[in-house]
Amino acid sequence: DTAVSQTPKYLVTQMGNDKSIKCEQNLGHDTMYWYKQDSKKFLKIMFSYNNKELIINETVPNRFSPKSPDKAHLNLHINSLELGDSAVYFCASSQNRGGLAGSYEQYFGPGTRLTVT
Amino acid sequence: DQQVKQNSPSLSVQEGRISILNCDYTNSMFDYFLWYKKYPAEGPTFLISISSIKDKNEDGRFTVFLNKSAKHLSLHIVPSQPGDSAVYFCAATSGSRLTFGEGTQLTVNP
Repeated sequence: DTAVSQTPKYLVTQMGNDKSIKCEQNLGHDTMYWYKQDSKKFLKIMFSYNNKELIINETVPNRFSPKSPDKAHLNLHINSLELGDSAVYFCASSQNRGGLAGSYEQYFGPGTRLTVT
Repeated sequence: DQQVKQNSPSLSVQEGRISILNCDYTNSMFDYFLWYKKYPAEGPTFLISISSIKDKNEDGRFTVFLNKSAKHLSLHIVPSQPGDSAVYFCAATSGSRLTFGEGTQLTVNP
């Protein structure tokens, strides 16, 4: 009964390919996020959607495009993969976009380890 | 521009003793702070949080202390248990996004 699920868990692909990572949450949350954990182990926000509306769009290459078909799903599509895209990508969700006590708590998926060769 | 720092990459303690994990921040606009725990091959899980209007929050074995003047927070775990062995991330926010530290690997030895 996974709260935030991601598929696939592992993804190995060659440079130049296009790939997608899917995320689903069954918590009824309004806001979803994509994070990248790089080799230095930092978790950095990439995107955030609130009720299918993009609210955070950090400085990431435009090869990365999030898609939210509904508020329970947030997918990440990556075009023309590069070696530097190798990382663990985490999806997360929260009750709302923040600003209220207790609403900053985010629930994370298990991560997708992307390896670009 | 690393606004949240965890200067100790690792910490080792004996079972039953206290574990103290530290975190420093530079952005005075941060008003809410959280600790997350992460096991290998899993996503981070929320542990405990504190608002900037408080200086302490306790939940069972876990206590978070906030020193706003020093821009420092700490997580105390007492007594430490082997199952507490994990990476602990400190996070801070002033709005909708969380800024994470780089994590501290805690190892609790039986």
